[in-house]
Amino acid sequence: GAVVSQHPSWVICKSGTSVKIECRSLDFQATTMFWYRQFPKQSLMLMATSNEGSKATYEQGVEKDKFLINHASLTLSTLTVTSAHPEDSSFYICSARDGKRSTVQYFGAGTRLSVL
Amino acid sequence: SQQGEEDPQALSIQEGENATMNCSYKTSINNLQWYRQNSGRGLVHLILIRSNEREKHSGRLRVTLDTSKKSSSLLITASRAADTASYFCATCPIRANSKLTFGKGITLSVRP
Repeated sequence: GAVVSQHPSWVICKSGTSVKIECRSLDFQATTMFWYRQFPKQSLMLMATSNEGSKATYEQGVEKDKFLINHASLTLSTLTVTSAHPEDSSFYICSARDGKRSTVQYFGAGTRLSVL
Repeated sequence: SQQGEEDPQALSIQEGENATMNCSYKTSINNLQWYRQNSGRGLVHLILIRSNEREKHSGRLRVTLDTSKKSSSLLITASRAADTASYFCATCPIRANSKLTFGKGITLSVRP
């Protein structure tokens, strides 16, 4: 149980285009999802917390207009990197919590974004 | 800001040996969790220890927590080549609304 699917696993795009990444909880309802960014051989940096039916809460320094997050249902959250630039190239990982009482997070497999 | 700090940063051992990884943190926590990440993949939850617990076991994993020293250790016994991965401690600070703060991670290499 507690499987999170993240798609796509790898995407290459041209500078200036937008890229959408999907995160789905397959066998549980995720009231809260998290989006992280990870640089090579470094830790995860929390970008935003996504709550179903409400606006995402962004961490300090993360541009909300650049990284659009939508959590339209209890099983789906999306991250759209708008007008991507080479500096946005990174590994993006989503996670989801199963229920309001548990703090354990279940992670997707990540998306490698390369902006040319 | 970085909450958990693991040490060592990298660890290389022979298959069959035990691996011990340490994590220190700064603020009061509800719980501490350990995660594993294989290269280029997402994280997998290994074990959670609550602030009122001192030790917990799960298979070949043993986790300790010392809240007075704000530190935790993860012991993997009888390591296998398949244990090769990065290991992260993550703290759930009090009043953090379930957000986790991850350490920098430890790269464990288990030589067959």
